[in-house]
This record gives sequence, structure tokens and C-alpha cells, in this order.
Amino acid sequence: NAGVMQNPRHLVRRRGQEARLRCSPMKGHSHVYWYRQLPEEGLKFMVYLQKENIIDESGMPKERFSAEFPKEGPSILRIQQVVRGDSAAYFCASSPGPLGLTNTEAFFGQGTRLTVV
Amino acid sequence: TQLLEQSPQFLSIQEGENLTVYCNSSSVFSSLQWYRQEPGEGPVLLVTVVTGGEVKKLKRLTFQFGDARKDSSLHITAAQPGDTGLYLCAGNTGTASKLTFGTGTRLQVTL
Repeated sequence: NAGVMQNPRHLVRRRGQEARLRCSPMKGHSHVYWYRQLPEEGLKFMVYLQKENIIDESGMPKERFSAEFPKEGPSILRIQQVVRGDSAAYFCASSPGPLGLTNTEAFFGQGTRLTVV
Repeated sequence: TQLLEQSPQFLSIQEGENLTVYCNSSSVFSSLQWYRQEPGEGPVLLVTVVTGGEVKKLKRLTFQFGDARKDSSLHITAAQPGDTGLYLCAGNTGTASKLTFGTGTRLQVTL
């Protein structure tokens, strides 16, 4: 039973390029969350998606960042025209139901480490 | 914005010692989770607590959820080098389907 799979593990982009980060949730999980972690800091919520819908994007920067979770295939976090400040570890988590429900737990992938040069 | 403060931020102890990590907030959480994260890896779920006053034990780790569901603690008995890592608490208020993470406690256990 595979866990949350993220790829690539490491991604290097030049300033101005686009970065695409992929996340396949655990089997049976239809709720996906993206978090960003800067060095020596905790995880900051970015966006919560359910199949084909964005439920909560309150943590997403207004520009250059977008996320999707299509009916088929992985969830994608897309960063356009990357800047050095986008360098961070991006983690995806999945859960079988909304986290507001008692005993619903979120499981994390290994992350994608984005470096902008 | 809910804020989860963890203390201490850093902790360096020797093998065999005991330690406690605290996670405090002014907000009430419907559930609280503890994760451990190793360098270059994602957070790994250790435990979830949902009931005020709840105590859960996982081998040498004891987790407690405060009566008011605003705070939690993690106690490690006889720490081992394998316990080294970043410990993160994360809470869910029940009204929004997302986890708010604490500031983290970096633990180093040396021989």
C-alpha cells in the first residue's frame, strides 16, 4: 500500500522558469493538501483540494501559484516565473475525508525540494 | 489565525535522559497530531489525540491533550539517538479542513 508519492524529489529551476510539482495521494484518499516549508521553519498551509475542486486556497500566493487535482492523475502545484524566494520544500498530504472529521488523519509525502538559481 | 507555539525550539540531550516538548495555543482544537520529521524527509505521523485530557502511549513516547484542548505535550522516556529529529504538533479546529502546524522542536540525542 504505497504512501503519498511526490515527484520530483529535487527540482532546480532558473529564475523565470516554471516549476511543476506532482503528488499522487494514498490509495482511497480524495483529499489533498499542499504545504510549504522554508529552512528551519514549520509547515505553512497553501491549498486544499478535493477531486476537481479547490476547497481552500487561503494560503496560496495570489500570483504565479496555482494548483489542480484532476479527475484522473496526480495533483499538480504549478509555480510560474519562479523567483529565488520560492526555494523551499513543498509537501503534499492526503486524507480519506475532510480533516474536520474526528479521527481523520493526514499522511505526508517525502516532499519536493525546489531550488531556484 | 491560529498559532501553535512549541517549546523548547531546540533540545540537545544525552542518551537515556527524559524530555518533554510542549505545544500551546489560544485556540481550541478538535484534534491534534504529532509528527516527526527527519532531514530531507516528510513529516511522519506519530499520534492523533481528540479528547480533552486524553493520554496516549507509544512505546517510550507519551502524548497528552490538555483538558481544554488548547495544548498538548510529548514526553520521551530514556531518549535514544534514533529519536533525533524535528517534532511538529499540528492542530485542526474542526471548522476548516486544514492542519495548522506548530513552530517545531528540534531534538538531538547524543551518545
